Amino acid sequence: GESVGLHLPTLSVQEGDNSIINCAYSNSASDYFIWYKQESGKGPQFIIDIRSNMDKRQGQRVTVLLNKTVKHLSLQIAATQPGDSAVYFCAENIAGGYQKVTFGTGTKLQVIP
Amino acid sequence: ETGVTQTPRHLVMGMTNKKSLKCEQHLGHNAMYWYKQSAKKPLELMFVYSLEERVENNSVPSRFSPECPNSSHLFLHLHTLQPEDSALYLCASSQDRWTSGGANTQYFGPGTRLTVL
Repeated sequence: GESVGLHLPTLSVQEGDNSIINCAYSNSASDYFIWYKQESGKGPQFIIDIRSNMDKRQGQRVTVLLNKTVKHLSLQIAATQPGDSAVYFCAENIAGGYQKVTFGTGTKLQVIP
Repeated sequence: ETGVTQTPRHLVMGMTNKKSLKCEQHLGHNAMYWYKQSAKKPLELMFVYSLEERVENNSVPSRFSPECPNSSHLFLHLHTLQPEDSALYLCASSQDRWTSGGANTQYFGPGTRLTVL
């Protein structure tokens, strides 16, 4: 079956350091991956996405890396700030047909001032 | 307002009550979704609507009844719920239900925190 999971449930990072959040997926048919950020009391917010024909994509202070060989996805946040504290979800979109997004359980990022 | 809005933000109800959750999207999207988010569990997809037609029902109990009167509004009618139904209910929308090359990001509302007593 398909599944998306996160290696670490909680990650504590010093303010100013870089953060790396990891995600594993198991469905080879996934063609599109998304990272969401969910702050307390809010719904998930889109951060960045990457298509399966790419290995890396950069945004503002965030970079997503995709390793299809080992079915691994990571989100890197540069110069982590207190406002980055949230739960981060990876999600995979299965190719072929209507959009079906599978979410992982989430990793909580705690930024230490 | 912009984006996806949900009302109410918080709801407490008894098991015999009937209530409704409302979602509205201002993005011109054609697909809308209901998700359930419980503690320490992945987001669970409940229903998918595309152009006001229900296209997916993920084995959701009949005590949850969705309604999509138009492409901008989505409701979730609740009746005779159980305490285990307490959760954050999230609404989302996307441009379309089809992957269209894989760029069909879902945009979420803030959710309704539901407590069933």
